[in-house]
Amino acid sequence: ETGVTQSPTHLIKTRGQQVTLRCSSQSGHNTVSWYQQALGQGPQFIFQYYREEENGRGNFPPRFSGLQFPNYSSELNVNALELDDSALYLCASSLAAAGKGISTDTQYFGPGTRLTVL
Amino acid sequence: AQSVTQLDSQVPVFEEAPVELRCNYSSSVSVYLFWYVQYPNQGLQLLLKYLSGSTLVESINGFEAEFNKSQTSFHLRKPSVHISDTAEYFCAVSRPGGYNKLIFGAGTRLAVHP
Repeated sequence: ETGVTQSPTHLIKTRGQQVTLRCSSQSGHNTVSWYQQALGQGPQFIFQYYREEENGRGNFPPRFSGLQFPNYSSELNVNALELDDSALYLCASSLAAAGKGISTDTQYFGPGTRLTVL
Repeated sequence: AQSVTQLDSQVPVFEEAPVELRCNYSSSVSVYLFWYVQYPNQGLQLLLKYLSGSTLVESINGFEAEFNKSQTSFHLRKPSVHISDTAEYFCAVSRPGGYNKLIFGAGTRLAVHP
């Protein structure tokens, strides 16, 4: 059983650029969530995808968007990067047991992608 | 809406001493509760969780946490810490019956000294 993987490990961009971060879910999981962890803070929920549809969204602007693919891997896209977007981006996968992403199952986190915006 | 408060940003402790990391939450509905640990330059690992049933939950590496509904707390304890327990610890809640979005506290840095 493979765990959650993320790529790249580190990334440096400049203001105004666009970035795509990737995540491979743990085998058998159908739900992926993305979190932003600024330095010295707890992770904040960006959005969740269940069966290729956005299932919930936190307080992030529309320039944060995502995709989930049929194999349940996922992408986080951020347009028009701002300095405050510098953070560790965490992907977490889980298994929704019933309904639309309703689950008590544990979320398993990847190692994260460290994004620096200059 | 739910929120989580971790009362201590840093907790220094000597090796083999007991430790308690405090977590309080606010919610108008019942919640699930979690503790995650983050080692330097790594992602989050689940330490333990409370969904229902016994209010005392334990992890495989000696940590335990007790759900106290009246005090809306979920404090994490370990009777004897090791150097290897040095890490950032996050308390989190999610709402039963909905998509399992986790709401995290700001974290507590546990520093174990020899």
